[in-house]
Amino acid sequence: KQEVTQIPAALSVPEGENLVLNCSFTDSAIYNLQWFRQDPGKGLTSLLLIQSSQREQTSGRLNASLDKSSGRSTLYIAASQPGDSATYLCAGGYGNQFYFGTGTSLTVIP
Amino acid sequence: NAGVTQTPKFRILKIGQSMTLQCTQDMNHNYMYWYRQDPGMGLKLIYYSVGAGITDKGEVPNGYNVSRSTTEDFPLRLELAAPSQTSVYFCASVLGETQYFGPGTRLLVL
Repeated sequence: KQEVTQIPAALSVPEGENLVLNCSFTDSAIYNLQWFRQDPGKGLTSLLLIQSSQREQTSGRLNASLDKSSGRSTLYIAASQPGDSATYLCAGGYGNQFYFGTGTSLTVIP
Repeated sequence: NAGVTQTPKFRILKIGQSMTLQCTQDMNHNYMYWYRQDPGMGLKLIYYSVGAGITDKGEVPNGYNVSRSTTEDFPLRLELAAPSQTSVYFCASVLGETQYFGPGTRLLVL
């Protein structure tokens, strides 16, 4: 059974700091790894998608990496802002199904 | 282009009642998904569909049914509501490997 884990469950950082969110998966036969942002009471917004053949993807201040051999993905956020405060979830894609981590709740303190 | 829409936004059910959660997408995506998210947890896949007339079970299908008569609509049916089905339900459609989520339906079963 595929399992996706995110540690830590919560993280607080001062504004301007660079930070890394972690995502681990047990099955290396992953098709893709997607990072999402979820604001309180809202749906999920896709941030970055990394195909299994790729090592990283970048969008603005966000950079996501994928290491299938170690079963890990990271989301790097540069120069954090209070508006980045949200819950970040990762999801591993296996065929037609996706398995989600429990998320990391990020608070950026002004 | 409204994306993925879900109705209702919130509903209270009594134990044993039934209801249908509606999901509609206007992006002509073939793949659609239903997830549930319990407090502090990641999303769990209930059912998914790869096209009209085709559905398949996900990780937690018990107590739910789906149908897919059109590309646009993917309703989720609860026949005999139980307190364990109290959750937030998200519908998503997929283009390529990127998931697009609706705003969610919050369901409380008392």
